Amino acid sequence: QKEVEQNSGPLSVPEGAIASLNCTYSDRGSQSFFWYRQYSGKSPELIMFIYSNGDKEDGRFTAQLNKASQYVSLLIRDSQPSDSATYLCAVTMNSGYSTLTFGKGTMLLVSP
Amino acid sequence: DADVTQTPRNRITKTGKRIMLECSQTKGHDRMYWYRQDPGLGLQLIYYSFDVKDINKGEISDGYSVSRQAQAKFSLSLESAIPNQTALYFCATSDSGSGRGPQGWFFGPGTRLTVL
Repeated sequence: QKEVEQNSGPLSVPEGAIASLNCTYSDRGSQSFFWYRQYSGKSPELIMFIYSNGDKEDGRFTAQLNKASQYVSLLIRDSQPSDSATYLCAVTMNSGYSTLTFGKGTMLLVSP
Repeated sequence: DADVTQTPRNRITKTGKRIMLECSQTKGHDRMYWYRQDPGLGLQLIYYSFDVKDINKGEISDGYSVSRQAQAKFSLSLESAIPNQTALYFCATSDSGSGRGPQGWFFGPGTRLTVL
């Protein structure tokens, strides 16, 4: 059974700090990796995706992928209180993005 | 108007009742999905459909059924609701041909279902 594991948190960081969120996955066949942000009671919002080993940066967000270690992370620089949310890691098995398998999410709390 | 709509948005029902959750989309997408989210947990796939004639079970299909009435409509039914089906339910759509990958996924606003 494919599994995606995340620390449930909460991860607490002060405003302006770097938040580091981690995710591991069990299936070596996983090809694509995504980070969604979800505010309480709302639908998930895609913030980053990565396919290749290494780093991918978009504004304050950096996704890091290490397929050998089956590990993907999300760094949020200059964290803001508005970043406080649950961050869901998701993986898909193929390039067709047929289905997404989600982790349980990590709650991030950014204090002013 | 929203691209993916879900009705109802909130529903309280009793054990043993039959419940239908509906999802409609105006994106023209061929693929539709139903996910369930329990408090503190990620989204778990219940059923998915790649076109009108295609229905597939997800991770947690027991106790649920679906109907793809048209390309734009995908309904989830709980034949006899039980309290542990209390959860937030999300419909999602994607387009197999868009080439946009995860950027082409759209989630509905969710239906909060409580089974007493």
